[in-house]
Amino acid sequence: GDSVTQMEGPVTLSEEAFLTINCTYTATGYPSLFWYVQYPGEGLQLLLKATKADDKGSNKGFEATYRKETTSFHLEKGSVQVSDSAVYFCALSDSGYSTLTFGKGTMLLVSP
Amino acid sequence: EAGVTQFPSHSVIEKGQTVTLRCDPISGHDNLYWYRRVMGKEIKFLLHFVKESKQDESGMPNNRFLAERTGGTYSTLKVQPAELEDSGVYFCASSQRLAGANTGELFFGEGSRLTVL
Repeated sequence: GDSVTQMEGPVTLSEEAFLTINCTYTATGYPSLFWYVQYPGEGLQLLLKATKADDKGSNKGFEATYRKETTSFHLEKGSVQVSDSAVYFCALSDSGYSTLTFGKGTMLLVSP
Repeated sequence: EAGVTQFPSHSVIEKGQTVTLRCDPISGHDNLYWYRRVMGKEIKFLLHFVKESKQDESGMPNNRFLAERTGGTYSTLKVQPAELEDSGVYFCASSQRLAGANTGELFFGEGSRLTVL
């Protein structure tokens, strides 16, 4: 079945540091890929997505590129802020009704 | 516009008791999903409603779990009797119906944390 593997956390960075959170996937079909973020005390919200190979999703300074050859969708940001502290979930959807398969989540802690 | 709301935010019950979780989706969203995150594990799909009909309930762990969505509005998820392994955070999500399309954007509630002692 489908699965998503993302790096274990927590990831601890200083403000303005470069961020990479690795995500790889296995899927039977040609999935769409997503990053969701959960800020403290809130529900998950879509951060960015990509629906086909070589697409780059971007939002709020975060980027991720759909790499079919390496089955990866790594999340990057050039300069993190304290407000980026949250749990980040990589996910895929292999069905037409948007059922998502999630990774375990990676907690990011950014200190001033 | 109100988001997805879930109640209760936290419930502590003893093994063998019953708990009912409620989810109010965003108004007008036909699709409603239940997911669960057990400590340290992935968020797992439980089931999917389209309006009042169960589109996919392949993720429901066993028959102690019962989900309903009468009238196609809010949904309830009942666990009866609760077991220790049912502890976790139960998320509800909703989305507009886009037949044949795969947008993947679900709108999640904050989750209901269930602790079974």
